[in-house]
Amino acid sequence: NAGVTQTPKFQVLKTGQSMTLQCAQDMNHEYMSWYRQDPGMGLRLIHYSVGAGITDQGEVPNGYNVSRSTTEDFPLRLLSAAPSQTSVYFCASSPGTSGRNNEQFFGPGTRLTVL
Amino acid sequence: AQKVTQAQTEISVVEKEDVTLDCVYETRDTTYYLFWYKQPPSGELVFLIRRNSFDEQNEISGRYSWNFQKSTSSFNFTITASQVVDSAVYFCALSSLGQNFVFGPGTRLSVLP
Repeated sequence: NAGVTQTPKFQVLKTGQSMTLQCAQDMNHEYMSWYRQDPGMGLRLIHYSVGAGITDQGEVPNGYNVSRSTTEDFPLRLLSAAPSQTSVYFCASSPGTSGRNNEQFFGPGTRLTVL
Repeated sequence: AQKVTQAQTEISVVEKEDVTLDCVYETRDTTYYLFWYKQPPSGELVFLIRRNSFDEQNEISGRYSWNFQKSTSSFNFTITASQVVDSAVYFCALSSLGQNFVFGPGTRLSVLP
């Protein structure tokens, strides 16, 4: 199993550009989530999904969209990038319908810089 | 509301010293789960432990041990005989039943040779 994969690993954007961060898992996990990591703030939840077709907002959803058309994929879209979105982004998944209470399996992260 | 506090921003120790990383949490729920993750310099997040609120037994895994005290809302992590490879950022996290993860800000541990 590849686990949780994320692409790209690094990305530089200009203010106002849009892009999609890809996330996929091959463990048949129901719960998937996106976090951003900023210095001194730990990881903050952006959006999450408890299954295909179901998504919801986390703590810091503004400026981001998600969709979950399949169990495996959970892309994160930046609509109009801003310098405040410069961060490291982690995708995670966990098993079961109560996946939010289980061990989260994290992808390797995407380092995004917005100029 | 859920909250996790890791008051120690950075800790430096010399190899073979013991070190304890503090974690204090806040939740109004009686059923919740506590976690520790390690983030080495390479950047990935490594799961270390998960405990539920009904299991207050301390746990030991090799050089790692965890002390869960509901009376003080703490879930502290001790590394015995630290090694350079233990250098990392360590995150404590909380999720109450049916609620999402909340991470603490992390503690950066540097183990010097």
